[in-house]
Parts: sequence; structure tokens; C-alpha cells
Amino acid sequence: DTEVTQTPKHLVMGMTNKKSLKCEQHMGHRAMYWYKQKAKKPPELMFVYSYEKLSINESVPSRFSPECPNSSLLNLHLHALQPEDSALYLCASSQQSGTYEQYFGPGTRLTVT
Amino acid sequence: ILNVEQSPQSLHVQEGDSTNFTCSFPSSNFYALHWYRWETAKSPEALFVMTLNGDEKKKGRISATLNTKEGYSYLYIKGSQPEDSATYLCAQNTGNQFYFGTGTSLTVIP
Repeated sequence: DTEVTQTPKHLVMGMTNKKSLKCEQHMGHRAMYWYKQKAKKPPELMFVYSYEKLSINESVPSRFSPECPNSSLLNLHLHALQPEDSALYLCASSQQSGTYEQYFGPGTRLTVT
Repeated sequence: ILNVEQSPQSLHVQEGDSTNFTCSFPSSNFYALHWYRWETAKSPEALFVMTLNGDEKKKGRISATLNTKEGYSYLYIKGSQPEDSATYLCAQNTGNQFYFGTGTSLTVIP
């Protein structure tokens, strides 16, 4: 199984809502990533987990809160988002962090109203 | 933030043509260069990871080269087919950090 799954595929939320994005992989990978992609822009790395520990947090606002409950699962908790946070959120995993190819999920299209 | 650039931004070729595009990146603090293919409504798919200066990798009709001293990588597609239509992204890896280019959008016309 070389698939990374993400749920939901689409999410519309208000600025006062709390929601979560979920990412799962069963390849035994020990590194997992969250990226944000706005239209016509390259994906931007938000968080990296290595062996279930947060290793990179790219100065992301605290309204985004990542969680890695186990080596197969990665969540992104959303609270009090702004309309400019509307984007495609991509999850990826790799065997380990560093120079290993990443396997991406299909993304969650988030719209903040 | 590293500046990874890709050119051209978009490309239209006839089926059967060969084509190539460029990824340029800062040569300092280099760990690896990744290439991905991203078809509409699908997940980005890893094509190559290259780490050494002079690396050449090949997968079917697609190949890539790497020059870390001058900071560029070329992706070549031989005999383009309509199913090659996609956005091709490169990303420079510096340890745990990844910096993506904006991609080259390839359309292969039957």
C-alpha cells in the first residue's frame, strides 16, 4: 500500500469554527509533513514530524495546531482561521526525514468564509 | 527562504516531440533535488531524488540530470505522450526543509 489518504477532500468553515484535517499512511514511514498551497504558488512546508516528534514548525500561526498521535496518523487542527488561510492542504510522508522521496496525499481543499 | 525557480512556466508540445525544462536553485546547503509530476485532481507523484553532482536518473521516457555546482537540474521527456500532460515540480531539500518551485505546466497535444 503506497497510498497517503487525506480527509476530508473539501472543507468549508467559518472563522469561528474548529475543524481538523486528517492524514494517514500505512507504509511504515517515520516522517510526515503538512504543506499549504495557494493557487499559482508552490507548496509551502508548514510542519514536519519525525518519529512522531515535531521537528520543523515554519513560523506557522498558532491557529494551526498539528498532532501526530502515532506513526501512521497526522492531524491538523484548525481554529479561528482567516479567509486568507483558504488553500489546498497537502500531507506527505517519507521513509525518514531528509533526502527520501515523499509520497503525497490528494489534499484537502479548505475554504474559510 | 530559498529561491527555487522553474522554466518555462508552461509548455505546449505535439505528441511525439521531446521536451525539457529547467529547475534552478541556490547551490549552498544542498542535500537533494526532487522532481514530482502532478496531474490535475491527483496527488503529486515522486519521479526522482538526486543528491550527487552529475547524477543522471531515468524512468521510462523521462530522465533528469543534476549540476549542484552551478545549481540547476534538467528534466527531459522523450517522445511526449498525452498522458505526460501534468505540472512538473522540483524541490530543493536542505535537511528537513523542502523548497518547491512554481512548476512547469506541460500540455501534450495529440
